[in-house]
Amino acid sequence: VHLVESGGGLIRPGGSLRLSCATSGFTFSSYSLNWVRQAPGRGLEWVAYISSSGSTIYYAESVRGRFTISRDNVQNSLSLRMTSLRAEDTAVYYCARAYGGNAYFDFWGQGTLVAVSS
Amino acid sequence: IEMTQSPSSLSASVGDRVTISCRASQSISRNLNWYQQKRGKAPQVLISAVSSLQSGVPSRFSGTGSGTFFTLTITSMQPEDHATYYCQQSFSPPYTFGQGTNLEIQ
Repeated sequence: VHLVESGGGLIRPGGSLRLSCATSGFTFSSYSLNWVRQAPGRGLEWVAYISSSGSTIYYAESVRGRFTISRDNVQNSLSLRMTSLRAEDTAVYYCARAYGGNAYFDFWGQGTLVAVSS
Repeated sequence: IEMTQSPSSLSASVGDRVTISCRASQSISRNLNWYQQKRGKAPQVLISAVSSLQSGVPSRFSGTGSGTFFTLTITSMQPEDHATYYCQQSFSPPYTFGQGTNLEIQ
């Protein structure tokens, strides 16, 4: 199982960015997925969830209305569209697979850094 | 659901027994998971559903609890256990994490 994030970078406040998570080694369409972020020197913050079919989506209050999670079950990829970016969105963003009825995060990517600064 | 860990930092010697607590602001049944994160790395799951040890995780790690109070125990601290530990509830979204416990070697 591999998850590899990409798309991070330096962006000005108010800007937009799209993160991607490429996956391999498992039946992508069978698993729900999440984005989790970690601001520099801070703890983990769950950001968004998408079910295996894409029909159920949840967001953290801090990003609702600004971020959009989506998936492509043909390309085996996960995305996070981020708009109206703020300095407080600066973080390493991880994609993580959820497993089982308990939906714990069993595999994580290495993360991609998003820095929001003027 | 708010997750509160204690302590936020801890220093232990090799061979010590270490216990980290996690309290949920409401009942989360057994939907409690523990992760370990080493510096500069992605988190890794240690324990799911309160007490299910993940494959490859040493047996010195164990978890207990139910409802709102949970603990992670390391029976004999090892140098490689130097890391930050997070609890997380997967009972209902948002799937909140505790603030983390930084475990250092004394």
